Amino acid sequence: EDQVTQSPEALRLQEGESSSLNCSYTVSGLRGLFWYRQDPGKGPEFLFTLYSAGEEKEKERLKATLTKKESFLHITAPKPEDSATYLCAVQAEETGNQFYFGTGTSLTVIP
Amino acid sequence: EADIYQTPRYLVIGTGKKITLECSQTMGHDKMYWYQQDPGMELHLIHYSYGVNSTEKGDLSSESTVSRIRTEHFPLTLESARPSHTSQYLCASSETGTTDTQYFGPGTRLTVL
Repeated sequence: EDQVTQSPEALRLQEGESSSLNCSYTVSGLRGLFWYRQDPGKGPEFLFTLYSAGEEKEKERLKATLTKKESFLHITAPKPEDSATYLCAVQAEETGNQFYFGTGTSLTVIP
Repeated sequence: EADIYQTPRYLVIGTGKKITLECSQTMGHDKMYWYQQDPGMELHLIHYSYGVNSTEKGDLSSESTVSRIRTEHFPLTLESARPSHTSQYLCASSETGTTDTQYFGPGTRLTVL
C-alpha cells in the first residue's frame, strides 16, 4: 500500500500562473512531512518540514500547508527557474525514523 | 546549508567489478542513509546508520554493503556489479533530535555495462 501519493505527476504552467501540488499520506502518527526540490541529475534539496495539521511555511514563491491527510505546495506567480521535480516524504511513528517518499510532481514553467 | 559530498558523480563500469561509492558529511550528523532512485520512481532506502559501528538494511533488497567507522564517512560497496545495479545512488544525513530533516548529497549515477 502506497504511504505517500503525489499529484499531479506532471504540471505545465505559464510563467505567473499560480497552482498547487498535492501530497496525500496514509500513515498514522505523523512525525513530520517534508518537501524537497530535485533538479535533473542532482540530489533533493530541502525546502520545508511540517509537523502538525494547520501548520504553514513559506519561502519566496512557495508555501506549504498541512492537514491531517494531505499537504499542499502552493506556487505563486512561478518563474521558469521554479521548474523541477518536487518530492514529498513522510516520517511516521509506526515506521520509526524511516522516510517514505512519493514519486514527485514534475513542474515545468513556460516563459 | 548542507555539506554532504558524494564521489564519484558518474561511474561507468563493467559487470563483475567491485566498486565503492563514497559519502562524507561535515555537519557532525549521527544518522546517515543510502537511497536508490530510478527515473520517475520514489527513493528507496537501501541502508542506514544511526552512528559509528551501527548499520542496518532498508526496505529495498540490495546486494551492497556499508560501513560506518567514522561519523562523517558512510561508504557503500558493491562486491560484484551487475547491469541491474544501474541507478542513481543518493546519500543523506540527519541530526538526532526533534527534527529528522534529511539533507542529501548530489548523487552518484552508476551505469553497469
